[in-house]
Order: sequence, then structure tokens, then C-alpha cells
Amino acid sequence: QVQLQESGPGLVEPSQTLSLTCTVSGDSVSTGAYYWSWIRQHPGKGLEWIGHISYSGSPYHNPSLASRLTMSVDTSKNQFSLKLRSVTAADTAVYYCAGGSDTSKIDFWGQGTLVTVSS
Amino acid sequence: DVVLTQSPLSLPVTLGQPASISCRSSQSLVYGAGDASLSWFQQRPGQSPRRLIYKASNRDSGVPDRFSGSGSGTDFTLKISRVEAEDVGVYYCMQGTHWPPVTFGQGTRLEIK
Repeated sequence: QVQLQESGPGLVEPSQTLSLTCTVSGDSVSTGAYYWSWIRQHPGKGLEWIGHISYSGSPYHNPSLASRLTMSVDTSKNQFSLKLRSVTAADTAVYYCAGGSDTSKIDFWGQGTLVTVSS
Repeated sequence: DVVLTQSPLSLPVTLGQPASISCRSSQSLVYGAGDASLSWFQQRPGQSPRRLIYKASNRDSGVPDRFSGSGSGTDFTLKISRVEAEDVGVYYCMQGTHWPPVTFGQGTRLEIK
């Protein structure tokens, strides 16, 4: 059973870069069987897909965030990561990492981590 | 992008009674041999979402059989045959047919009357 765990700062100052890592256990991040995604949830709101990356394919970013986003995979640490530049208060949210097969795209989720953008 | 519209957005239900949530897509979600990449997720208070149903009608391992999914094309339904207290939370449908991006419905909040 694949498990995911997000990690990163809970507080980021405005205009800085939000950096999160998702550690994969129970399988290899380079297996090629899964797409690795980031999803966020603003306080009390619904789910917003940020983007995905796979070991063998190109990343895809939500167009509304693409100019500020970088996603990558670190096979040596069995992790994938997210960097969101020039953050504002509107980026305050719970950030989830998730994985999914080609069939359904999102099969399982991490527990989520709250990131607050504030000075 | 595909728009998913859920109804109702709020669903008060008496314990032991059935519940039903609709998810309508702005485009047909059928692909390949007739499957639809339509999933249902449950998000209990303070928890991350958990998938209940995939490919419209396939129940995930460990999901109680009181949960069922149905539908095809643009209309899909999640049904709970007898609501229990642990079913309280928000339910989301999600499509992966026309991706990227995946898109989610707005969510339906189920509460106990």
C-alpha cells in the first residue's frame, strides 16, 4: 500500500517561495505506474488541482499557477516536490500530495499540510 | 476544462435513511471501451480525502457496501443505502477522462438531521 507524507514550512512570508516535499513509501516514485499530483484546499473551500509530474513524462501545471510553479522528482530520496514562487495570502491553503494510476489519476492522498502566507 | 456540477450542495439525512448525490459533467466522460474516469471521494472533518468509487461504479477495497456508484456519459450518482454517523463529511466527484487537468465537483456536505 502506497503512503504519502507532505513536509515543509507551515508559514511563508509574502513574495517568498513555498516549498513542499512529498515522501513516498510502499513503492518507488520512479515506478512509472503513477502520476504524482499536488492539490490544494483553501480554508473551508473545495479542491484545486495544482499539477502533476510522472517519472517518465513531462509535468503539467494548472495554467492559473504555471508561471510560478516548479515540480520535480528526486528518485534518490523517493520524493517529489513543489515550489510555488511569489506567494500571496491567496496561496494560504492545505496542500495535499496525491498519487494515481492512469485509470483514475488520483487514487490515494497524503494527510495534507497547512501553509499560511503571512508576514 | 470539464465542469462537474454536484447536487445537492448540502444534504441533511436521518440516520439509517438513504442518501443520493448527483454529479453532472459538461462533457461525456466515456473513453476507450466505454469506461468513465469518474471517482468519488469522501472527506471527513479534519481528514484528507479518501477515494470510495473509481470508474463510476467500482468500490475501493475497505469501503462499506452501503456505498455505490452508478452512471455513464455525463450523469453520475453516489448512493448510500443507509447513512451512518461516520458518513458525515464532504463528498466530491472528480473526473480524469479529459485531463490534464483533473477537475472536481464543488462538494456535497452530508450531515445528520
